[in-house]
Amino acid sequence: GNSVTQMEGPVTLSEEAFLTINCTYTATGYPSLFWYVQYPGEGLQLLLKATKADDKGSNKGFEATYRKETTSFHLEKGSVQVSDSAVYFCALNSGGYQKVTFGTGTKLQVIP
Amino acid sequence: SQTIHQWPATLVQPVGSPLSLECTVEGTSNPNLYWYRQAAGRGLQLLFYSIGIDQISSEVPQNLSASRPQDRQFILSSKKLLLSDSGFYLCACLLSVGRSNSPLHFGNGTRLTVT
Repeated sequence: GNSVTQMEGPVTLSEEAFLTINCTYTATGYPSLFWYVQYPGEGLQLLLKATKADDKGSNKGFEATYRKETTSFHLEKGSVQVSDSAVYFCALNSGGYQKVTFGTGTKLQVIP
Repeated sequence: SQTIHQWPATLVQPVGSPLSLECTVEGTSNPNLYWYRQAAGRGLQLLFYSIGIDQISSEVPQNLSASRPQDRQFILSSKKLLLSDSGFYLCACLLSVGRSNSPLHFGNGTRLTVT
């Protein structure tokens, strides 16, 4: 079956530091890949997505590239802000009457 | 665009009491609907999903149940709550069923505390 593995948290960074959150996946077929963000007390919001190999999704300064050869979709941001503190979920969707498969989430804390 | 309404936002219930959480979707038709639970500091656990009216699939055996009496209404219920039912409950919908590039859209969740 499908699975998503993302790095354990929490991750604590100083403001303006570089962020990488690793995500790898296993899936049949050609899934689409997603990053969701959950701010405290809220539901999940779509942050970015990529639908085929070598696609780069980007939003709010975050980027992730769909790497089929390494089955990875790592999330990066060049300079994090305190407002980026949240839990980040990597996910995949392989189509059909699909259930989206989520990673366990990585909590990011950015300190001033 | 679609909007997902969940209520209540917070709920405190005693052990053994019943539960009813409601989710309604606006701005779309025939979505797949999902109930997730998120325990404190944990990831997402898929509880139920529905591909249509009265079509419910359960992912985890437990004392919860779900119903979909209308196309855009999804209800999570329990006859007798347990302490372990405490958590953050999220309703989600998936548009464009069958297309892998469709993201899930989430409601704002219900924080349930069972005392």
